[in-house]
Amino acid sequence: QKEVEQNSGPLSVPEGAIASLNCTYSDRVSQSFFWYRQYSGKSPELIMSIYSNGDKEDGRFTAQLNKASQYVSLLIRDSQPSDSATYLCAVNRDRSGNQFYFGTGTSLTVIP
Amino acid sequence: DVKVTQSSRYLVKRTGEKVFLECVQDMDHENMFWYRQDPGLGLRLIYFSYDVKMKEKGDIPEGYSVSREKKERFSLILESASTNQTSMYLCASSVPVGPDEQYFGPGTRLTVT
Repeated sequence: QKEVEQNSGPLSVPEGAIASLNCTYSDRVSQSFFWYRQYSGKSPELIMSIYSNGDKEDGRFTAQLNKASQYVSLLIRDSQPSDSATYLCAVNRDRSGNQFYFGTGTSLTVIP
Repeated sequence: DVKVTQSSRYLVKRTGEKVFLECVQDMDHENMFWYRQDPGLGLRLIYFSYDVKMKEKGDIPEGYSVSREKKERFSLILESASTNQTSMYLCASSVPVGPDEQYFGPGTRLTVT
């Protein structure tokens, strides 16, 4: 079983719509959760971190964490073509460096 | 802002060559990481360092070694490059307590011919 699982997509949404990206993780004791955006040929860029159950909003982005269901999601409101990228979910099990796991990413395309 | 830099964006080496990839961070982070990223396989941890001269193997350390002589610098060494080491190499850094996000450098696209 993979530590972090994401639907690889591709996910396509029209411009202005809400994009919903989902991630599940296997270890119930995981403590920290992250979403990274990666444009083709570039390195991952941190866009959201979340540490406690519930929602966290930052501009057009909302991260949602449900530890009971071991589920993390990212909502992108008013999607723009510039949001087209691969989104990586990451989980840190115990805040030590070698317990940091990435999903393989979901490819998002926003259609103008 | 956290800044992580890597010595080269693109590198072409021949099979059997010794290859050095350098990473420098300017935020006094204790933790530094080397990953490789391949299509369909995602990010895989090669080595991790939590302090100067300290290192731990990641998931795929075979064929690689690392060096951390100064806190801000973490080097990845391919002892004898092989074609299956053609990949995108990503360096990252983080702090061990508090906000534990990893910040990435721009990556090095290494091609071994």
